Amino acid sequence: SQKIEQNSEALNIQEGKTATLTCNYTNYSPAYLQWYRQDPGRGPVFLLLIRENEKEKRKERLKVTFDTTLKQSLFHITASQPADSATYLCALDTNQAGTALIFGKGTTLSVSS
Amino acid sequence: GAVVSQHPSRVICKSGTSVKIECRSLDFQATTMFWYRQFPKQSLMLMATSNEGSKATYEQGVEKDKFLINHASLTLSTLTVTSAHPEDSSFYICSAPRTSGIRSYNEQFFGPGTRLTVL
Repeated sequence: SQKIEQNSEALNIQEGKTATLTCNYTNYSPAYLQWYRQDPGRGPVFLLLIRENEKEKRKERLKVTFDTTLKQSLFHITASQPADSATYLCALDTNQAGTALIFGKGTTLSVSS
Repeated sequence: GAVVSQHPSRVICKSGTSVKIECRSLDFQATTMFWYRQFPKQSLMLMATSNEGSKATYEQGVEKDKFLINHASLTLSTLTVTSAHPEDSSFYICSAPRTSGIRSYNEQFFGPGTRLTVL
């Protein structure tokens, strides 16, 4: 079965630095990979989607890379701010539009000022 | 962006009672909605896929007679936890994929979640 690993449970960085979160997956070749942000006691919020034929996607201070050979996605937040502190979830789309997602456990990012 | 609401946001009930959770898409129609469960410090686990006009599809290990799902309309899905027990205490979250007209996208919009505590 598909397996997703976010290999850091927690990441602590200083304000202004770049946060890099890692997502690895096995036993699957997803067509898409998505990143979500989840604040305590809330539902996840969609951030970025990257397709298998895309190497990199950017949105403001966020950047996602997707290496289908390594089966890995990296999620970067540049110029991090305390407001970026949250849990970030990596999710695999199983196939076509509208299907359910398989989530990693998430990495909790803490940005200190 | 699209909005998904859930009601109630928090519920405390006695063991043996049934609890209904509503999930609504407020500004778009959702023929499919998903129900997830999340335990503390754990990932979201898919429980079932709710389909408008047909039966829900349950993931392996999820008891369909215990977690009743009804997709009553294109904007409403309900999850009823029947005969709830303390081990059912969890954070239940629904989601719906974004759609625009007939086109479906892959990102999903999540509700704010429902915290269920069974005493």
